[in-house]
Order: sequence, then structure tokens, then C-alpha cells
Amino acid sequence: ILNVEQSPQSLHVQEGDSTNFTCSFPSSNFYALHWYRWETAKSPEALFVMTLNGDEKKKGRISATLNTKEGYSYLYIKGSQPEDSATYLCAFKRSNDYKLSFGAGTTVTVRA
Amino acid sequence: DARVTQTPRHKVTEMGQEVTMRCQPILGHNTVFWYRQTMMQGLELLAYFRNRAPLDDSGMPKDRFSAEMPDATLATLKIQPSEPRDSAVYFCASGLWQGFTWYGYTFGSGTRLTVV
Repeated sequence: ILNVEQSPQSLHVQEGDSTNFTCSFPSSNFYALHWYRWETAKSPEALFVMTLNGDEKKKGRISATLNTKEGYSYLYIKGSQPEDSATYLCAFKRSNDYKLSFGAGTTVTVRA
Repeated sequence: DARVTQTPRHKVTEMGQEVTMRCQPILGHNTVFWYRQTMMQGLELLAYFRNRAPLDDSGMPKDRFSAEMPDATLATLKIQPSEPRDSAVYFCASGLWQGFTWYGYTFGSGTRLTVV
């Protein structure tokens, strides 16, 4: 079992504020780091697949960075909106494995 | 958009009954995964296949769960006999390896199973 940890477990953000949270993963045998957005009663939706150390990805107001040497990734939400409320999952893929190991998620609640 | 299709969306069954969940992966995807969403463990991997061959089913209770992929368009997860503790949302996901490139997963909408 791979240790993929996300923190904090949950956070509350005022509409318009920016926020960020962390995913940490094993730094050995790294292949890819995935971020998913998971709304209640829906299926996880892919946000980013990151493979290179120093990678930065952006999708609208959401962006992510990757540090494979120290084993962490940050997800940033700029100017949070109520529709950003969801659980954000990160998942780690090793180079010698087909499966993803998921963190428990960070649940973001944006208050209007 | 290509989708992973899971049926049924909801299933309520009595303890002891057999339950079969079905998944149609995205056409051309060569890896298929079954996950279970639990309160305690988030997304728990049950089994996965590559090119229809089972690669790992160590996450499944072997005495009652079985996963098969009879053809490239269908994956099944069966529970027999079902127990109340099996109540959860079961997700199927499919992914693609091409050469040495991994294109990531797409998840289905899930089957919400309730065993009473």
C-alpha cells in the first residue's frame, strides 16, 4: 500500500478568496501524479496529469505544481467560487505499476 | 465525449443475494479498474485488468467477490452472497497505455449498492 497523503482533510473558504492544499507521495519510482475533482453523487473528473518535476498545470482558476524529488504537489484555487466546492483527490502512479493509489482527498467548501 | 458506462446506477438487494455490476469501458482503453468508495478508506482498489487479463485482485474479499472481463467491451464485478457491509458505491474506471505513454483514467458514474 502506497502512502499518498492529502492535507488538510477539509477546508472552508470564503467566496473570492484563494486557497491551496497539498498532496504528498513516495518520491521513488515516480511516473505520474493525477488530480481529480469529485463532486457529491458524481464520478471523479480528471483535472491534471503531471509527470515532470517542476511541472505546472492550469485549468481556469485552478492550477497545480509538482515536486517529484521531495514528493509533493500543490493544488491552488484562485478566487474561489461556490461551484469549486468538491473533494479534490490526488493519485500517484509508480513507474512499474498500472494502477493509481489515491489519497483520501481534501474537501473544499466555498461559502458565498 | 467518450464515457465509461456502468449499470445499474442503483441496486437494493437483500442480504445473501447475488449482485452483478457491469462496466463498459471506453472503446480502445486497455486497462480496467474496479474501485469501491468507503467512508473510511476513500477510493479502495478492488481489482484491475490489462488487455482483459486480471493483474491484481488482492483488494477483493475472495470468498464472495469475483471480477471478470469476458470481452473487451464488458467488465463485471459479482458479489455472492452479498452482505450489508458491502453497501457502497462501486466505480469502474478505464485507462489507456499506448507504447510507453499513460493517458490516465476515466471514471464511470458508479453503482450505488445497498444490501439490506
